[in-house]
Amino acid sequence: EVQLVESGGALIQPGGSLRLSCAASGFAVSDNYMNWIRQAPGKGLQWVSVIHPGGTTYSTDAATGRFTISRDTSANSLFLQMNNLRAEDTAVYYCATFRSGSLDAFDIWGRGTLVTVSS
Amino acid sequence: EIVLTQSPATLSVSPGESATLSCRASQSIGSNLVWYQQRPGQAPRLLIYGASTRATGVPARFSGSGSGTEFTLTIGSLQSEDLAVYFCQHYTNFGQGTKLEIK
Repeated sequence: EVQLVESGGALIQPGGSLRLSCAASGFAVSDNYMNWIRQAPGKGLQWVSVIHPGGTTYSTDAATGRFTISRDTSANSLFLQMNNLRAEDTAVYYCATFRSGSLDAFDIWGRGTLVTVSS
Repeated sequence: EIVLTQSPATLSVSPGESATLSCRASQSIGSNLVWYQQRPGQAPRLLIYGASTRATGVPARFSGSGSGTEFTLTIGSLQSEDLAVYFCQHYTNFGQGTKLEIK
């Protein structure tokens, strides 16, 4: 079964760090455009970061310099290292695959993991 | 950056009726527009890609149309399970969503 399962969300103080994980099954993370997308409480969806099959990474301006996306091929997992967290980073973080070319859409989503930044 | 504007913000429709949701792009994007459904407490689900192609398993009462800057998602014969927020998307840009309420 094709599946993504996120973990690592927590209540963290401003300025703290957190590492999110996303375990994939049924397909290879390394063969896909893997993304992190977040959703603040009651708000819309915001794309955060992507890692391409070739390893190139891109992030939204709000994440650049603070968040790092990476993957572990042997563990078939995606990660998001988040440093210097701010209150505005509070959100459910989803990992999702982007199917480029045929769909140009995020076709597989995890259930999300909640990050709360608060003192 | 392409901005996607959805309207209305909230739509209330009776069961059995149809609903029409709109998404406007700030510049022409051809047919490269995607729709998602997000039910309460769930992750988004891919509904429509390429502006008009239903994803696998999506009922035929969901239809998408449009090109350029104006796009529409039509949901026919509304059911209670259609209660959700619907988002449009173009690459890394998302609309702000339309909340569909069932009367």
